[in-house]
Amino acid sequence: AIQMTQSPSSLSASVGDRVTITCRASQGIRNDLGWYQQKPGKAPKLLIYAASSLQSGVPSRFSGSGSGTDFTLTISSLQPEDFATYYCLQDYNYPQTFGQGTKVEIK
Amino acid sequence: EVQLVQSGAEVKKPGESLRISCKGSGYSFTSYWISWVRQMPGKGLEWMGRIDPSDSYTNYSPSFQGHVTISADKSISTAYLQWSSLKASDTAMYYCARRVVVVAGGAFDIWGQGTMVTVSS
Repeated sequence: AIQMTQSPSSLSASVGDRVTITCRASQGIRNDLGWYQQKPGKAPKLLIYAASSLQSGVPSRFSGSGSGTDFTLTISSLQPEDFATYYCLQDYNYPQTFGQGTKVEIK
Repeated sequence: EVQLVQSGAEVKKPGESLRISCKGSGYSFTSYWISWVRQMPGKGLEWMGRIDPSDSYTNYSPSFQGHVTISADKSISTAYLQWSSLKASDTAMYYCARRVVVVAGGAFDIWGQGTMVTVSS
């Protein structure tokens, strides 16, 4: 199975900060990767698909990049509603695998 | 409105069987695969497996193969996740999610609200 390694596992940031989360695949996955946001007690929400495409309705401060094995989710200016846990998910082959998550907390 | 609505929370004893459901509405149920995702308390997301509701073809994660069964009844737009003998370690929140085909691979664009399963003696 492809391993997805996310970093950092947690971070503290302030409103307005630029935040970057990375995800590394154990083998090349083209750009078959999505990013998801999960708030406590809620289902995950799709933010980015195909590594860099913004899901409809998601604010433009979210962006994704990367291809092959290295991927990045960037929040350009962190807002109060962005404090959550973020996961990457590879859709390249089965079994699909998530990263272990990055918890973004208030500084 | 496109949505997936899951069945309610369950409390079971070890060794008991259970089936939870995920009903799709607002879209053509047979046009999108459904996946199941586990989240143990305080932990991350784990992909369990998926089903194509049009023909009930399934794929499972090796971590869950043989312990759960994924099925679907397209006549009522419902997918299921089933256990024949629950363990305490099955205590978790379970989500279903719809996979949409995108420019590269797919993505889970619609999620159910989750079903909490508690297994305790």
